Amino acid sequence: EDQVTQSPEALRLQEGESSSLNCSYTVSGLRGLFWYRQDPGKGPEFLFTLYSAGEEKEKERLKATLTKKESFLHITAPKPEDSATYLCAVLNTGFQKLVFGTGTRLLVSP
Amino acid sequence: DAGVIQSPRHEVTEMGQEVTLRCKPISGHNSLFWYRQTMMRGLELLIYFNNNVPIDDSGMPEDRFSAKMPNASFSTLKIQPSEPRDSAVYFCASSLYGRGTGPRANYGYTFGSGTRLTVV
Repeated sequence: EDQVTQSPEALRLQEGESSSLNCSYTVSGLRGLFWYRQDPGKGPEFLFTLYSAGEEKEKERLKATLTKKESFLHITAPKPEDSATYLCAVLNTGFQKLVFGTGTRLLVSP
Repeated sequence: DAGVIQSPRHEVTEMGQEVTLRCKPISGHNSLFWYRQTMMRGLELLIYFNNNVPIDDSGMPEDRFSAKMPNASFSTLKIQPSEPRDSAVYFCASSLYGRGTGPRANYGYTFGSGTRLTVV
């Protein structure tokens, strides 16, 4: 059974204090690993898809990386508007459904 | 495009009543997913459709839950009778499956804003 574990559950940063979120996964065959951002009262919003180990993608202050067992979401010099829950999910080659982790709640204080 | 549209945004109902949640996917998307989100269990897939046909309903918790997709632009999730433990946020998502720009086509979902269900 595919599994996704995210850590930490919650993270508080000062504005400008860089850090990383972790996503560990177990999947029989990885078609893709996805990162989403979710703001309170809203649905998850797509950020990145990573397909193979060694791949990296960037968007503004965010950079996602992928190994064979885990993915990291690096946040460089975060701002208060980066505060949200960040969700990781995997898509198995044999299936069509995304399996999500429980997320990391990020709070960036000014 | 207006995105995935869900209604209602909030629903408060009494235990035992029937609840119907509605979803309009993005035009042109051929897959639709119903998820439930709780603090304890996160996002759980309930059921998904390809080309209006239910493919996997193994996540539907009980027979009290049912879902339909009568056409490509509309789906419903029904709970009858509802119970307090059904209280959660229910999300609908859609995607374009099996097509795209090659083997690395983005299979990411587009989510709606969700329906917050409270059963008292």
